[in-house]
Amino acid sequence: DIQMTQSPSSLSASVGDRVTITCRASQGISNSLAWFQQKPGKAPKSLIYDASSLQSGVPSKFSGSGSGTDFTLTISSLQPEDFATYYCQQYKIYPLTFGGGTKVEIK
Amino acid sequence: EVQLVESGGGLVQPGGSLRLSCAVSGFTFSDHYMDWVRQAPGKGLEWVGRTRNKANSYTTEYAASVKGRFTISRDDAKNSLFLQMNSLKTEDTAVYYCTRSPRDNYYFDYWGQGTLVTVSS
Repeated sequence: DIQMTQSPSSLSASVGDRVTITCRASQGISNSLAWFQQKPGKAPKSLIYDASSLQSGVPSKFSGSGSGTDFTLTISSLQPEDFATYYCQQYKIYPLTFGGGTKVEIK
Repeated sequence: EVQLVESGGGLVQPGGSLRLSCAVSGFTFSDHYMDWVRQAPGKGLEWVGRTRNKANSYTTEYAASVKGRFTISRDDAKNSLFLQMNSLKTEDTAVYYCTRSPRDNYYFDYWGQGTLVTVSS
């Protein structure tokens, strides 16, 4: 199975900060990488697919990059509604696998 | 508007069975791959399994943790996805989400609101 390792597992940031979350795959997955946002008690929401494509309706402050094994999610200017847990997921090879999540909290 | 609505969750004893449903609307169901993803209380996301679309003969894939116990099926005429769960274990306790993949890709673009399954004696 492909292991997806996210770092950090949690971070504290202030409104307006630029935040970067990394995701590393245990083997190459080309660009078959998605990012999701989940708020407490809610279903996850798609943010990024194919490593860098923005899901329709998602604000452009979210961006993704990377290919192969190393990927990043960047939030350019953190807003109160962005405090949530973020997950990466590979869909290149079965079983599909998720990273452990990164919880973004208010400093 | 794309909608996915799960139902069928509840409390079941270890070794028991449960069938989850996901009613969909707002898109041509038969064109899309559909998946189940679960989340144990306070934990991360875990993929459960997938059914491909009509063009790919509705073939399925499963996570090792559920293979042989869970079965995914679909009824395109009724716009419904199902998850039959047998021989349930306490570690199957989770919120179960159904998800959709877009017509030309394999990631999850839409998620349902989830249904809670609790396996406990």
